[in-house]
Amino acid sequence: GEDVEQSLFLSVREGDSSVINCTYTDSSSTYLYWYKQEPGAGLQLLTYIFSNMDMKQDQRLTVLLNKKDKHLSLRIADTQTGDSAIYFCAENPGAGSYQLTFGKGTKLSVIP
Amino acid sequence: NAGVTQTPKFQVLKTGQSMTLQCAQDMNHNSMYWYRQDPGMGLRLIYYSASEGTTDKGEVPNGYNVSRLNKREFSLRLESAAPSQTSVYFCASSESPRGEQYFGPGTRLTVT
Repeated sequence: GEDVEQSLFLSVREGDSSVINCTYTDSSSTYLYWYKQEPGAGLQLLTYIFSNMDMKQDQRLTVLLNKKDKHLSLRIADTQTGDSAIYFCAENPGAGSYQLTFGKGTKLSVIP
Repeated sequence: NAGVTQTPKFQVLKTGQSMTLQCAQDMNHNSMYWYRQDPGMGLRLIYYSASEGTTDKGEVPNGYNVSRLNKREFSLRLESAAPSQTSVYFCASSESPRGEQYFGPGTRLTVT
């Protein structure tokens, strides 16, 4: 079955880089997503990576995908207090499935 | 362009009462979804509609029904609310069944 695992908490100092990790089990996943949820709000799509890519960069965000180890990471450069939120990793499995499988989320706390 | 809107934002029900959560999107998306979010559980898919006129069960459909009223609107009904349905409910939409999903702000439901 499908399962997406994330560590629950991460604390970093303002200005440092944050790295949020995620592992998934479905080897047929096509797209992998990162969502951000601020307190009391819905999920906001941050970025995504197609499974045939190793890396994707978008301003302060870098997504790394190790397909062999089924490991996905999100690096946030120069972390700011506004980056404090819960970050969800999600996978879109292969053909025949319409469902995204979400991890439980990593709560990022940025210390000023 | 409001994206995905949900009503109401908050609701308190007594056990056994019924209610309908409303969701609408103005992005001309084909697919729509209902999730529930519980502490420590991440997001779990209740029902989805891959396209207008179709609905399918997700991971946790028991106690819920849905209606895809038209391309824009997808409602979730609780026929006889139970305390276990206390949760935050999110509606989402995507252009295609396996595309990136865009979320509404959520409905916070408490069943006493």
